[in-house]
Amino acid sequence: GAVVSQHPSWVICKSGTSVKIECRSLDFQATTMFWYRQFPKQSLMLMATSNEGSKATYEQGVEKDKFLINHASLTLSTLTVTSAHPEDSSFYICSARDTDANYGYTFGSGTRLTVV
Amino acid sequence: SQKIEQNSEALNIQEGKTATLTCNYTNYSPAYLQWYRQDPGRGPVFLLLIRENEKEKRKERLKVTFDTTLKQSLFHITASQPADSATYLCALTSGGSYIPTFGRGTSLIVHP
Repeated sequence: GAVVSQHPSWVICKSGTSVKIECRSLDFQATTMFWYRQFPKQSLMLMATSNEGSKATYEQGVEKDKFLINHASLTLSTLTVTSAHPEDSSFYICSARDTDANYGYTFGSGTRLTVV
Repeated sequence: SQKIEQNSEALNIQEGKTATLTCNYTNYSPAYLQWYRQDPGRGPVFLLLIRENEKEKRKERLKVTFDTTLKQSLFHITASQPADSATYLCALTSGGSYIPTFGRGTSLIVHP
């Protein structure tokens, strides 16, 4: 089945620094990937839709200059949290879907970001 | 406004029993509904998808029903095992969008 690899699984950074999270589709090509954010005991909140070769589409309220998304190839999307602050601490998850819609969406294992 | 409701209280059941989780929605016309499992600190894992014109779907010990009149989906795990303990999320996709919207999930705890 489809596999999405996400790295790193956890990261601790200082306030003001930037952090890059990678999301790769390992055995399929993903023209579209999705980035979510999840707080404890809360739902997954869609942040943006990453489109290969074009600009990402951000959800309302998500700062595009703070959460930079790059989807340079059909198998790789990156999310960079710029000038991170403690309130950016959260669980970030990417997902993609293989062509067969009957298999739903495949998620990465998530990245726990802690900003100190 | 659109809402997806899943019971926020954890469901505790005894091993071997059938677990039933509920997903209710309002102001949606979903083209299909999905169920995912999420373990702590991990991304969700896709379990089942059911379309609006389907009443029921099965996969091994899992069964999903979809009632578009009641605006409700039920997710059943038969012969539950402690390894089934996790949070289960439902997600809806409307006909006009291919992007699913997730409920908050219900925690299932299966006691040995």
